[in-house]
Amino acid sequence: AQSVAQPEDQVNVAEGNPLTVKCTYSVSGNPYLFWYVQYPNRGLQFLLKYITGDNLVKGSYGFEAEFNKSQTSFHLKKPSALVSDSALYFCAGGISGGYNKLIFGAGTRLAVHP
Amino acid sequence: ETGVTQTPRHLVMGMTNKKSLKCEQHLGHNAMYWYKQSAKKPLELMFVYSLEERVENNSVPSRFSPECPNSSHLFLHLHTLQPEDSALYLCASSQDVGELFFGEGSRLTVL
Repeated sequence: AQSVAQPEDQVNVAEGNPLTVKCTYSVSGNPYLFWYVQYPNRGLQFLLKYITGDNLVKGSYGFEAEFNKSQTSFHLKKPSALVSDSALYFCAGGISGGYNKLIFGAGTRLAVHP
Repeated sequence: ETGVTQTPRHLVMGMTNKKSLKCEQHLGHNAMYWYKQSAKKPLELMFVYSLEERVENNSVPSRFSPECPNSSHLFLHLHTLQPEDSALYLCASSQDVGELFFGEGSRLTVL
């Protein structure tokens, strides 16, 4: 069965420090992988995606993610965290079928402390 | 503003009521989705419409009935719901396998 796992319920980081939010996937074939962010009482906002090409993907708000096929991982990173980055982050994966049938991870809450 | 508008933002209904959630996308996308977000659970894909045809129905109870009258509008008709159906219902759209654009969600409470 296809799945996406986010092993950490919460990540705490000090402002200005680098952050990593982990994601591993089990998707057959060539996966499409996404990161989304959700602020309180809001919908999900797209951050970045990997479909093909360079393994390092750069996205919105200074975030980036690295696709690692051998480790089946797609960790989200940012060199210097901001308090405003505090939110719920979702990793999602899927395969092409004419539309986007994504499987979402359970989410990781990022808390950036001043 | 994501280009996907959901109404109402909040809805409280009794178990015997009939109500509908509405979603409209202004992005010219060809696929639309309903997701359910419950506390401490992953997002659950409920329905997918591609080119106005339902292509996914993930074992959703019949008390939830989707409708896609055209490529810009998606409805979720609700009938005789249960308290465990209380959740945030998210609508999204995409162009093929591009990223999903989500609406702000409709917070449903079933009494």
